[in-house]
Amino acid sequence: QQKVQQSPESLIVPEGGMASLNCTSSDRNVDYFWWYRQHSGKSPKMLMSIFSNGEKEEGRFTVHLNKASLHTSLHIRDSQPSDSALYLCAASMISGSWQLIFGSGTQLTVMP
Amino acid sequence: DPKIIQKPKYLVAVTGSEKILICEQYLGHNAMYWYRQSAKKPLEFMFSYSYQKLMDNQTASSRFQPQSSKKNHLDLQITALKPDDSATYFCASSQEGEDSDYTFGSGTRLLVI
Repeated sequence: QQKVQQSPESLIVPEGGMASLNCTSSDRNVDYFWWYRQHSGKSPKMLMSIFSNGEKEEGRFTVHLNKASLHTSLHIRDSQPSDSALYLCAASMISGSWQLIFGSGTQLTVMP
Repeated sequence: DPKIIQKPKYLVAVTGSEKILICEQYLGHNAMYWYRQSAKKPLEFMFSYSYQKLMDNQTASSRFQPQSSKKNHLDLQITALKPDDSATYFCASSQEGEDSDYTFGSGTRLLVI
């Protein structure tokens, strides 16, 4: 079983709408979470990281983390067509080798 | 200017041949990594290096060998190539620590025929 699971696999939202993406880890050794965005044919680019319980906001992007359930979510408000991309959740382990474990991603399409 | 340079961008190789993927980073990071991404699997960790020493190897096959000639270089040698090796290979770097942000290179897209 994959250690980092993302849902939904794909999401279509209208321009100006809210996109909500979810990520959960099944491994209690996971400590930190990141969200990356990958446009087609490009490399992943870090959007936000979250390490503590609660919420973090940067512009149109908000991430939540519940460490007890190892669940994080990414919310994009006022979605734009340029937000259309693969969104990857990643987690690192306590005392790991600094490797990031990635989920399969959510493919977001923002319709004009 | 790209901070992590990967060469080549595209590579076509014949089954059974050997190729080297190049990675150089100019971010002053002490840790470097290789990841693989294919249509069938999510972004998959392969190796991590810190100060030119191997920290972790999650690659089952010895056909994949990282090589670090300088602190900011981490090349990937792949021998006896198979069609299943076709993927995009990303190099990444970070400072040390589980809470350090990664920066990814633009990737080498490998097709094995």
